[in-house]
Amino acid sequence: DTGVSQDPRHKITKRGQNVTFRCDPISEHNRLYWYRQTLGQGPEFLTYFQNEAQLEKSRLLSDRFSAERPKGSFSTLEIQRTEQGDSAMYLCASSLSIAKNIQYFGAGTRLSVL
Amino acid sequence: DQQVKQNSPSLSVQEGRISILNCDYTNSMFDYFLWYKKYPAEGPTFLISISSIKDKNEDGRFTVFLNKSAKHLSLHIVPSQPGDSAVYFCAASGTGTASKLTFGTGTRLQVTL
Repeated sequence: DTGVSQDPRHKITKRGQNVTFRCDPISEHNRLYWYRQTLGQGPEFLTYFQNEAQLEKSRLLSDRFSAERPKGSFSTLEIQRTEQGDSAMYLCASSLSIAKNIQYFGAGTRLSVL
Repeated sequence: DQQVKQNSPSLSVQEGRISILNCDYTNSMFDYFLWYKKYPAEGPTFLISISSIKDKNEDGRFTVFLNKSAKHLSLHIVPSQPGDSAVYFCAASGTGTASKLTFGTGTRLQVTL
């Protein structure tokens, strides 16, 4: 069990650029979640997948955001035309659907938009 | 609309004493509650959870209490250790919310020598 892995750990970009983050969940976990955390707040739900199906998206996920989990394993989160307000920690978590919703988090990707 | 609230942003406790962290929620659809611990530059780490059919769950030094009528839960850490110093998040989920977690804003615990 190698835990949830996120890459990169840090990303600095200029406003207007596109960025993509990757998440590798715990191998046997079929549920994968993306959250966003800003300073002084708890993580906020963005979207989740069960296997390759994206089952829910938060209204926080504007049309500049897209997430995929093409083969039900790793997932990517892309932000197009980044804005300074996108600066945050992006967290990925995974869980087993039969487990009582205990989600295991990665270390996160910290995005800074200049 | 903050559905999960942690009203104490920080708490300082002496080593060996009890730490009590509190959490309130407003959504009566929540039926599962979790506590996570977060160190700087790391993701949240799961600590302990409780289902709404219980009012107490223990795991070593950590005990979570749930008062459904008051929509209140608390995390007790006994005895507190310096390594417990971290930010603690309360989270909740419900059967009608597709299992996403709704988090509070966190309480920073400092355990002093």
